[in-house]
Amino acid sequence: IAGITQAPTSQILAAGRRMTLRCTQDMRHNAMYWYRQDLGLGLRLIHYSNTAGTTGKGEVPDGYSVSRANTDDFPLTLASAVPSQTSVYFCASSVTLQGEAFFGQGTRLTVV
Amino acid sequence: RKEVEQDPGPFNVPEGATVAFNCTYSNSASQSFFWYRQDCRKEPKLLMSVYSSGNEDGRFTAQLNRASQYISLLIRDSKLSDSATYLCVGGRDDKIIFGKGTRLHILP
Repeated sequence: IAGITQAPTSQILAAGRRMTLRCTQDMRHNAMYWYRQDLGLGLRLIHYSNTAGTTGKGEVPDGYSVSRANTDDFPLTLASAVPSQTSVYFCASSVTLQGEAFFGQGTRLTVV
Repeated sequence: RKEVEQDPGPFNVPEGATVAFNCTYSNSASQSFFWYRQDCRKEPKLLMSVYSSGNEDGRFTAQLNRASQYISLLIRDSKLSDSATYLCVGGRDDKIIFGKGTRLHILP
């Protein structure tokens, strides 16, 4: 692994199903983020974590949960997917919350 | 008011021209600033950090005006490959905030 990796790269999901998007970084960055990007709305922060063991809510947290059990991993869970959660999801990490962020390649999620 | 605001464009600019974007931020506590580039259907990538004294990287110049709370990006001698969406970013103690981006189309 080099940098930050997301999985899956794309997914079609039935409404009501549970889904976890995975994110792993090998840069030992303290801060990690989940964004969703929708046409005309830009990148919107869902949740963030400034260090292992802590998480915080971003601009659009409803319907999503995260955990940060260790430095490297920051999974995003949709407990019961709805069509409005159709989006491109980006995970990112940075040394600190203020610092330069590095992004994963994104996960394209379609909820039908 | 959004914390970081940009003109969405698109800016349609002939190849070789100079183009400039501004981005305003509303939170005076913002301490770090960046410009990112995002190509269609790809992840954002850092273009350059923005320092208080201004900084240059080849054809790109970034400046910060704290008094008026804006940052700018200047692209000289634009290339077709500069076509992309440019995102400005303000960072403060608890998070980094992205603008919605400015779309740039370089015309041959």
